[in-house]
Amino acid sequence: DAKTTQPTSMDCAEGRAANLPCNHSTISGNEYVYWYRQIHSQGPQYIIHGLKNNETNEMASLIITEDRKSSTLILPHATLRDTAVYYCIVRVPSGGGADGLTFGKGTHLIIQP
Amino acid sequence: EADIYQTPRYLVIGTGKKITLECSQTMGHDKMYWYQQDPGMELHLIHYSYGVNSTEKGDLSSESTVSRIRTEHFPLTLESARPSHTSQYLCASSGYPGLAGGGAKNIQYFGAGTRLSVL
Repeated sequence: DAKTTQPTSMDCAEGRAANLPCNHSTISGNEYVYWYRQIHSQGPQYIIHGLKNNETNEMASLIITEDRKSSTLILPHATLRDTAVYYCIVRVPSGGGADGLTFGKGTHLIIQP
Repeated sequence: EADIYQTPRYLVIGTGKKITLECSQTMGHDKMYWYQQDPGMELHLIHYSYGVNSTEKGDLSSESTVSRIRTEHFPLTLESARPSHTSQYLCASSGYPGLAGGGAKNIQYFGAGTRLSVL
C-alpha cells in the first residue's frame, strides 16, 4: 500500500466546509484512495473512495488531483458530530494476502461551535 | 448501513480468565477481520479470514485465536487473559469485489468494538 501523509490535527467552524488534505505521492496506477473516520471510542466508518475522478456521496466529496499524488476530503457543512479522526488510505481494492487496512495516525478534525 | 455486531461492548475481567469476544455480520460477507487498537494509537490487523474454515494471522502478533465455522460469525478467544491484553478489539467484514453489500472495491465495515480491561 502507498504511504500517505496527513496533518495531525485541524479545526473547522461548525457550518463551514471542512477540507482535509492527504498526500500520496507514491500511489500506483491501480490503487484507490479511501477515506474512513473514527469517532471517539467507536469503530471506523467508511466515508468515500475514488480512483481518479472526483466523487461525491451523501457524506462527503473527494477531490483527487490530476496526477493523483494528493487528494482532499470535503465535508460541505461540518457539524459537531463530524469531530473525529479521519484516515486517508491508499490501496488496491483487493490485493489478496492479509487485505487489512493500514490506518496510520490520521487527522484529528475538531469542529468548533 | 453496515450490520456487524460485537459483544460485549465492555469487559472487565481478572487475569487468567478465558474470554471470547463475539463478532457477527448479516451482510453475507466472505472476508472478516480483527483489529486491535490501544487508546490514542493506530489500529493493527491481528487476524483475518477469507471464508469458512479460513483463518490467518495479521500484521501484529497476538496471543488470541479465532475461528470461522459459519460465514456470519468470527469469534476471538483469549485462553488466559493478561493485563497486556487490555485494549480495544474491532471486528470488520467485507465482500469480494463485484458482489453487492460492500463487495465493490473492498469496503470494510466495522463493528462498534469491544473494550477489554484485564486486571
